[in-house]
Parts: sequence; structure tokens; C-alpha cells
Amino acid sequence: GAGVSQSPSNKVTEKGKDVELRCDPISGHTALYWYRQSLGQGLEFLIYFQGNSAPDKSGLPSDRFSAERTGGSVSTLTIQRTQQEDSAVYLCASSFREFGQSEQFFGPGTRLTVL
Amino acid sequence: GENVEQHPSTLSVQEGDSAVIKCTYSDSASNYFPWYKQELGKRPQLIIDIRSNVGEKKDQRIAVTLNKTAKHFSLHITETQPEDSAVYFCAATSNAGGTSYGKLTFGQGTILTVHP
Repeated sequence: GAGVSQSPSNKVTEKGKDVELRCDPISGHTALYWYRQSLGQGLEFLIYFQGNSAPDKSGLPSDRFSAERTGGSVSTLTIQRTQQEDSAVYLCASSFREFGQSEQFFGPGTRLTVL
Repeated sequence: GENVEQHPSTLSVQEGDSAVIKCTYSDSASNYFPWYKQELGKRPQLIIDIRSNVGEKKDQRIAVTLNKTAKHFSLHITETQPEDSAVYFCAATSNAGGTSYGKLTFGQGTILTVHP
């Protein structure tokens, strides 16, 4: 079946602009995660969704970052007033169960470049 | 919160040799430890995982060991091949309740290069 998809694959924006990144999880996966990967770095947790609610937003770096999930499926990560330090690859992952011991399947990521 | 340290940051081996990557974690409540392989420009993919109720798991040339007392776990790749070259990430998560279900804390990654 189809895996996790993300769009756009690449996004170049100017400092100060807002951007929206989209994630389509695997059908039937109740848990959805956003991570950020900076160049040559590990993956940094941003936010976790269980269904449409976000019980863990602890990784969002500032109030410029927000995310929502509708219909227990698609999720959108929004970055307002982008800064150069926001440049990174944003990865989405989904898993079948909301409990921790379930494989997370990653999307291909969105490479964000803030000029 | 959880903190995961991964070593080495780079590892270079000859084809056919073994490779070992080590991770330590800080949260004794962590009980699930996956390893992901990420090839250049591609998404991370799970290669093996281990739960805290076992000490070792093996899948062909790949094995993972877990020492709960010392809070460290290791990835072992035997008979390495050039196609094993990639970045490998360890991770840890806890199923201990609260709001941290499924939140993976990743190590910084190890760049493995297998020379033909």
C-alpha cells in the first residue's frame, strides 16, 4: 500500500514568510509525529498526534510553529514568520498504534530553505 | 526527559568486517529501542528494534543487544557490504504513560562507510 507522503518535497521561502507543510499518513494509522532534521544532525521531535488531538507538543521550538490534524488523517505543520534557523528537513511519521512500541513509518520529508 | 547519546559519529570499515554502533539512554522508563537506517537523500527506515523484555535480537547480519542495567544498547552488523553504507540512528521511547507515548528520542547518528 501507499506509504507516508509529504508535500511539497522542497520549499524555498523568504525570511518572514509563512509556510505550510503537509503530511498524509498511512491509512489507518492513528498516531502521527513530526520531526525536524537539520543538516548532519539527528532527528528532533516536534509534535505528536493521537487521532486529532496533540497530547505532546513539547518539541515545538517556538510559538511560530503550530500543527493540526483533521479527520484523524492529514496533518499540516505551519511555520509563521520563518527564520533562517528554520531551514531543515521536516519529516512526518505515522504508526498503527498510539503506544510507543509500534514501528514509525517515515515520509520522504520536506526540505525547507529560508533565504 | 530522555537523552540518547550515540557513538561513534563516523565509522569506516572494510567490506566483510563487522561494525558496532553504541547508544546510551538516560530514562530508565524507556522500553523500546529502534534502529533506523537513512541512505543519502532518503527517508529513515527501521532495520531492527528491541523491547526491554529481551536482551538480544538478531535478523540475518544485524543484531541488537540491550543492557537495561547500564542503560545502553548496541547495533552489530556482520559481514558488512558496500550497500550497508548509510547513516544509522538509534532511538528510545517510553510506554510509561502520560503524554510521551511513542515520542522517539534519537541519537545523533553514525555515518557508516563500507569500503569495497
